[in-house]
Amino acid sequence: AQSVTQLGSHVSVSEGALVLLRCNYSSSVPPYLFWYVQYPNQGLQLLLKYTTGATLVKGINGFEAEFKKSETSFHLTKPSAHMSDAAEYFCAVKSGYNKLIFGAGTRLAVHP
Amino acid sequence: GAGVSQSPRYKVTKRGQDVTLRCDPISSHATLYWYQQALGQGPEFLTYFNYEAQPDKSGLPSDRFSAERPEGSISTLTIQRTEQRDSAMYRCASSLGTVDNGELFFGEGSRLTVL
Repeated sequence: AQSVTQLGSHVSVSEGALVLLRCNYSSSVPPYLFWYVQYPNQGLQLLLKYTTGATLVKGINGFEAEFKKSETSFHLTKPSAHMSDAAEYFCAVKSGYNKLIFGAGTRLAVHP
Repeated sequence: GAGVSQSPRYKVTKRGQDVTLRCDPISSHATLYWYQQALGQGPEFLTYFNYEAQPDKSGLPSDRFSAERPEGSISTLTIQRTEQRDSAMYRCASSLGTVDNGELFFGEGSRLTVL
């Protein structure tokens, strides 16, 4: 069975600092991995995904994530945080034919 | 429509009542999903539709929960004899394809509170 663990329910960074949100997965098959973001009072939207091919995946708004099979990780990074990045971030893994298993989420705060 | 629309946005009901939540997906999207999100948790899969077919309803917690999409567009999620543990945000999403070859577009959710 597939599962996702997000380390840190809350992360706080200064504007301009590196953003690192951690995600580890468990999967019995080669994983398809996703990061979704939820801004206040909005629905979740896709940031990026890894299915096959290049292990470094670039997404919207300057975010990227690297699939590391040996570490069963798919951490999300952004070199320089912006105030508008404040949101809740969810890591997810595909399960079965057409289902996503989400982590519990990490709320990112960005302070001046 | 332009995006996924859910109604009502907020619903407060008393234990034992039935509730129906509605989802209007993006008009070109064949696939529609329902997720349940408890406070402080990530969304949990309930069921999905491919047009009007419902290939997977393995996430529905009990037979009090049912969903339908009779004409392959608008969907409803009905919870009968609500219980306090049903209190959650219910999220609908739609996509052109599957979760890996498409992108899920989520609505703003329906927040259900059972007193």
